[in-house]
Amino acid sequence: NAGVTQTPKFQVLKTGQSMTLQCAQDMNHEYMSWYRQDPGMGLRLIHYSVGAGITDQGEVPNGYNVSRSTTEDFPLRLLSAAPSQTSVYFCASSLGMDRVEAFFGQGTRLTVV
Amino acid sequence: GDSVTQMEGPVTLSEEAFLTINCTYTATGYPSLFWYVQYPGEGLQLLLKATKADDKGSNKGFEATYRKETTSFHLEKGSVQVSDSAVYFCALAGGTSYGKLTFGQGTILTVHP
Repeated sequence: NAGVTQTPKFQVLKTGQSMTLQCAQDMNHEYMSWYRQDPGMGLRLIHYSVGAGITDQGEVPNGYNVSRSTTEDFPLRLLSAAPSQTSVYFCASSLGMDRVEAFFGQGTRLTVV
Repeated sequence: GDSVTQMEGPVTLSEEAFLTINCTYTATGYPSLFWYVQYPGEGLQLLLKATKADDKGSNKGFEATYRKETTSFHLEKGSVQVSDSAVYFCALAGGTSYGKLTFGQGTILTVHP
């Protein structure tokens, strides 16, 4: 099983550019989410989805958009990149979010210059 | 809202030493508690979990007990190995915020031969 696949693994953007981080899972999980990881701050939730067509904001949603047109895919869009968005981004999926294991992708290291 | 506090790191130990990483939480209701581990260059993976008070999660020699009276979920291992070097995250789900994991800031563990 591939599990959760994120692309790309590394990306450098210039300030103001836009891009989409891809996330796909093959486990038929309803719940998917995006986190960013910054030193000393753990992981913070950006957006999440409880099923196809349903998304909601997390703790740090500003500057990011998401959509969930299929169960498998949950892309994260950066509308106009800023240096403050330099971070490592993780996508996760699970059957539920309260009692069961979340599976994480390998991460995307994004640098905005 | 929910929060998780981990002991300050980094932690450096010699092989076969005893490990404790403290974790305390704030949440309403009856959250589930998790320890995730992140090896260098990889995504997070579940190490162990506990879903109700007094439950003990265990895996790969690591243990943690869900203590509701002290709101704690400390991670322990009797004899660490070099291969345990990683970042360890305490997390909770199912408290105030449905559908998300709340993470501590992470503790970097380095084990020397």
